[in-house]
Amino acid sequence: EDKVVQSPLSLVVHEGDTVTLNCSYEVTNFRSLLWYKQEKKAPTFLFMLTSSGIEKKSGRLSSILDKKELFSILNITATQTGDSAIYLCAVEAHAYGQNFVFGPGTRLSVLP
Amino acid sequence: SAVISQKPSRDICQRGTSLTIQCQVDSQVTMMFWYRQQPGQSLTLIATANQGSEATYESGFVIDKFPISRPNLTFSTLTVSNMSPEDSSIYLCSVRQGATEAFFGQGTRLTVV
Repeated sequence: EDKVVQSPLSLVVHEGDTVTLNCSYEVTNFRSLLWYKQEKKAPTFLFMLTSSGIEKKSGRLSSILDKKELFSILNITATQTGDSAIYLCAVEAHAYGQNFVFGPGTRLSVLP
Repeated sequence: SAVISQKPSRDICQRGTSLTIQCQVDSQVTMMFWYRQQPGQSLTLIATANQGSEATYESGFVIDKFPISRPNLTFSTLTVSNMSPEDSSIYLCSVRQGATEAFFGQGTRLTVV
């Protein structure tokens, strides 16, 4: 059965800390892996990863994919209270057409 | 990118009633998707709305409960019918343009009392 697993499910840190969020997957005919940030209702796009070993970076956030070991990590450095959100990992596979399978999310709380 | 306008933003409804959620996209898209996010859970796909044909529903979701319309390439509606408290969720519409990321509407927070 195809699945997407994220860890930890919940994380509390203080401003300035660095965090690493994990996403592992088991799907047939992998296409891409995406990271989203969900603060209230609508997820906002962070990264789309299709190739192993190529880091994508946006400000303090970065992400990388390992297609051999079937996982991805999302790093956030120098965390700020505005980083508090649920971080969702989603995988696209050929079996699902144009849509995605979402992981359970990691709830990150950044304390001042 | 695509900009999606979803409404209502939130609603509180009586059990047994129905609510229709609308999504308007600023460009033509082939496929639109409707997701449900129950409290504390991740996103679950309800159905794919295709213009000119019936929506394709995922396992556990049926047309009688969640009828979908897709009258053109920029608009879709999802109706939550005969609501019960278990339908209290966030409902999200989403689109893709080719092999890109999915864009989401602002979401509808539904509470059934």
